[in-house]
Amino acid sequence: AQSVTQLGSHVSVSEGALVLLRCNYSSSVPPYLFWYVQYPNQGLQLLLKYTSAATLVKGINGFEAEFKKSETSFHLTKPSAHMSDAAEYFCAVSPDFGNEKLTFGTGTRLTIIP
Amino acid sequence: DGGITQSPKYLFRKEGQNVTLSCEQNLNHDAMYWYRQDPGQGLRLIYYSQIVNDFQKGDIAEGYSVSREKKESFPLTVTSAQKNPTAFYLCASSPGTSGFGETQYFGPGTRLLVL
Repeated sequence: AQSVTQLGSHVSVSEGALVLLRCNYSSSVPPYLFWYVQYPNQGLQLLLKYTSAATLVKGINGFEAEFKKSETSFHLTKPSAHMSDAAEYFCAVSPDFGNEKLTFGTGTRLTIIP
Repeated sequence: DGGITQSPKYLFRKEGQNVTLSCEQNLNHDAMYWYRQDPGQGLRLIYYSQIVNDFQKGDIAEGYSVSREKKESFPLTVTSAQKNPTAFYLCASSPGTSGFGETQYFGPGTRLLVL
């Protein structure tokens, strides 16, 4: 069965510092990978999506993620954190065939320190 | 504007009561989903529907029921059999019927609380 592991349920960074949120996946078939962001008491919004077209994926709000097959990772980064980046971030995996649906990680809450 | 609406924003359930959460989309998407979100557990799939008049159980369907009579609507009923219903419920939709690799678009959520 496919799965997603997000290392660190809480991450704090200073404003202007690098943001790095970690995601490792397990999938027996080629995966599609997603990062979603959730602001308090709101639904999820897509940040970016990996579809095998390119290993470095650029998303909204200055975020990007790199697919590394050898490490089964899809870490999310942003060069300079902004106060508005404070939110919860979810990594998710979907197979390109089979019976499994979209599987989410448990989330990482990002806090920005002024 | 196209999107997904969920109502109500907050819902209170009394002991032994069934309650229904509404989800409507005007994106012309074929597939719709219901998720339950609990702190520290991510999102768990309750039910999904890939076409009108058809739906499938997800990972945690016990104590819940759904219907899909119209393409744009996918209501979720939390029955009295669900003993721990307090959670944030999210509805989502995606364009096609396969579900593979498709982006899911989410509504704003309904928070269900037990009185």
